[in-house]
Amino acid sequence: AQSVTQLDSQVPVFEEAPVELRCNYSSSVSVYLFWYVQYPNQGLQFLLKYLSGSTLVKGINGFEAEFNKSQTSFHLRKPSVHISDTAEEFCAVSARGYALNFGKGTSLLVTP
Amino acid sequence: EAQVTQNPRYLITVTGKKLTVTCSQNMNHEYMSWYRQDPGLGLRQIYYSMNVEVTDKGDVPEGYKVSRKEKRNFPLILESPSPNQTSLYFCASSLGVMSDEQFFGPGTRLTVL
Repeated sequence: AQSVTQLDSQVPVFEEAPVELRCNYSSSVSVYLFWYVQYPNQGLQFLLKYLSGSTLVKGINGFEAEFNKSQTSFHLRKPSVHISDTAEEFCAVSARGYALNFGKGTSLLVTP
Repeated sequence: EAQVTQNPRYLITVTGKKLTVTCSQNMNHEYMSWYRQDPGLGLRQIYYSMNVEVTDKGDVPEGYKVSRKEKRNFPLILESPSPNQTSLYFCASSLGVMSDEQFFGPGTRLTVL
């Protein structure tokens, strides 16, 4: 089975500063990796995914993530955050024959 | 507009009173799934369906039932709700394969007294 660990439960950051949200996964087979965002009182929205090929993937709203197979990581980054980026971020992993497994989430708190 | 809808959005009920949360998608997706979200636990999958009449258990299926009689609908049934089923529930759908992103509904906040 696959599993995901989000290393930070909460990440406070000032507006216009860069941010990195960490995600590590565990799997014995090749995986697909996702990031989803949940804004307050809303459902989850797809942010980006890694399937294969280029290890740097770009998503919506200026977010990007880098797949690192040797470190089994898929960290999410944004070079300059806005107040509107305040949300809960979820890393998720799936593999052929297995359902999607979510991490416990990281709360991104952007302050002025 | 492509969307996943859930009803009701909020529900307060009492222990043992059967309830159904409906989920419908208009994207002709084959895969549908139910999750519950609890503080500190993230999202956990309850049940999923790969296609009409095909359903399977997720990580936390106890106390829940589902059915998939039509492609667009995937209701979640709590035959005898208990307080530990108080949670935020999300329905999701996708084209079908594991590499596809899922589209989520707005959520149903359920309180069982």
